[in-house]
Amino acid sequence: AQSVTQPDIHITVSEGASLELRCNYSYGATPYLFWYVQSPGQGLQLLLKYFSGDTLVQGIKGFEAEFKRSQSSFNLRKPSVHWSDAAEYFCALNSGGSNYKLTFGKGTLLTVNP
Amino acid sequence: DVKVTQSSRYLVKRTGEKVFLECVQDMDHENMFWYRQDPGLGLRLIYFSYDVKMKEKGDIPEGYSVSREKKERFSLILESASTNQTSMYLCASSVPYEQYFGPGTRLTVT
Repeated sequence: AQSVTQPDIHITVSEGASLELRCNYSYGATPYLFWYVQSPGQGLQLLLKYFSGDTLVQGIKGFEAEFKRSQSSFNLRKPSVHWSDAAEYFCALNSGGSNYKLTFGKGTLLTVNP
Repeated sequence: DVKVTQSSRYLVKRTGEKVFLECVQDMDHENMFWYRQDPGLGLRLIYFSYDVKMKEKGDIPEGYSVSREKKERFSLILESASTNQTSMYLCASSVPYEQYFGPGTRLTVT
């Protein structure tokens, strides 16, 4: 069965600092991978996705993620965090099946200190 | 832009009531999903639908049912609400491999 693990439940960074959120997955082949962001009281917004090709993908709001097959990881990064980035971040996996179901990690809550 | 709307942002219901949560998408997507979100548990799939009148159980279907009579509308039904169904409910619709989410309904069952 496929699974997604986000090892960090809560991360606190200072505004302007760099950020890396970890995501590890378990799946027998190369999955489709996603990062979503959820601001308080809101639905989820897609930040970026990886299907194939270049393993470094760029997303919205200055985020990027790198797919590393050897480590089964898809970590999210941002070089300089803004206070508005405070939110919960979810990594998700799709196995490519025709039902398009996503398997989500449990999320990482990001706090940004001024 | 894809738009997914949910009928209520906040809802308070009593134990035993029948509850309807409505979701509408405007992009002619075939696949739609209902999730519940609880702190520390992430998003868990309740039901999904891949066509009108077609549905499949997700990971936690117990206590819920769904209805999809029209392509754009997917309803989640709590036949007899219980306090353990207090949660945030999120609807999504999907193009291949990419889901678009509504703003969520925070349901409180007292």
